[in-house]
Amino acid sequence: AQTVTQSQPEMSVQEAETVTLSCTYDTSESDYYLFWYKQPPSRQMILVIRQEAYKQQNATENRFSVNFQKAAKSFSLKISDSQLGDAAMYFCAYREPSEGGSEKLVFGKGTKLTVNP
Amino acid sequence: DAGITQSPRHKVTETGTPVTLRCHQTENHRYMYWYRQDPGHGLRLIHYSYGVKDTDKGEVSDGYSVSRSKTEDFLLTLESATSSQTSVYFCAISFQGTEQYFGPGTRLTVT
Repeated sequence: AQTVTQSQPEMSVQEAETVTLSCTYDTSESDYYLFWYKQPPSRQMILVIRQEAYKQQNATENRFSVNFQKAAKSFSLKISDSQLGDAAMYFCAYREPSEGGSEKLVFGKGTKLTVNP
Repeated sequence: DAGITQSPRHKVTETGTPVTLRCHQTENHRYMYWYRQDPGHGLRLIHYSYGVKDTDKGEVSDGYSVSRSKTEDFLLTLESATSSQTSVYFCAISFQGTEQYFGPGTRLTVT
C-alpha cells in the first residue's frame, strides 16, 4: 500500500520569510499525482498545489512552489514571503491515476505551521 | 466554493445509537468520498462512490456503511455508534482525473 510521510509534525517561520515543508511517499507506480492541502483553524480543507508525476517542471502557485524529486520520492512545499494567514495544518497527499475506478487519496499525518509576527 | 454541504455540522450522540451523516453536492461530480480525521492520523478514507449505487470500502470502513441513490447525495451511516467513532468527518468530491474538493466537515461526538 502507498504511504505518505511528513516527518515534521510542527514548523515555525517568521513573517515574510521562507519555509519548506517535507513530504516523502512510497509507491511502485510511475504515474501518479501529488497534492498539498492546507487546513486553517476553520477546519476547511483547501487545495494549495498539485503536481503530476509525468511533469518534470515543478508546480507553482503564487507564493507556493514544490520541489518534486521523483527518483527520491520526495515532494516538498516551499512557502515564500510567509504571511500570518499561512498558519495552518498542511497535508501532503498521493493519488494513483484511475481508469474509471477509484481516485483515492492517501494523506500524510500533517505538519502544523506557525507564522510568527 | 465547490458546492459541497454536509449535515449536520455538529452532532453529539450516545453509544449504540444509529447516526447518518449527509453529503450534498451541486456539481454533478461522479466521485464522492467520506474521510475521517483524527489527531495524529491525518485523513483516512472510509468509503467512496464512483457513481449512483456504486460504492466501495476504504481504509477504515469497519462500523460504517454508505449509500448513494442520487448523484448529489452520499450518506454515511454508523449503525451503532461507538466512542472510537468520535471524529471529524469530511466529504469530498471529484470529477474523474481531477483533484478532490472537500466539504466543511462534521464534528461527531459519541458519549
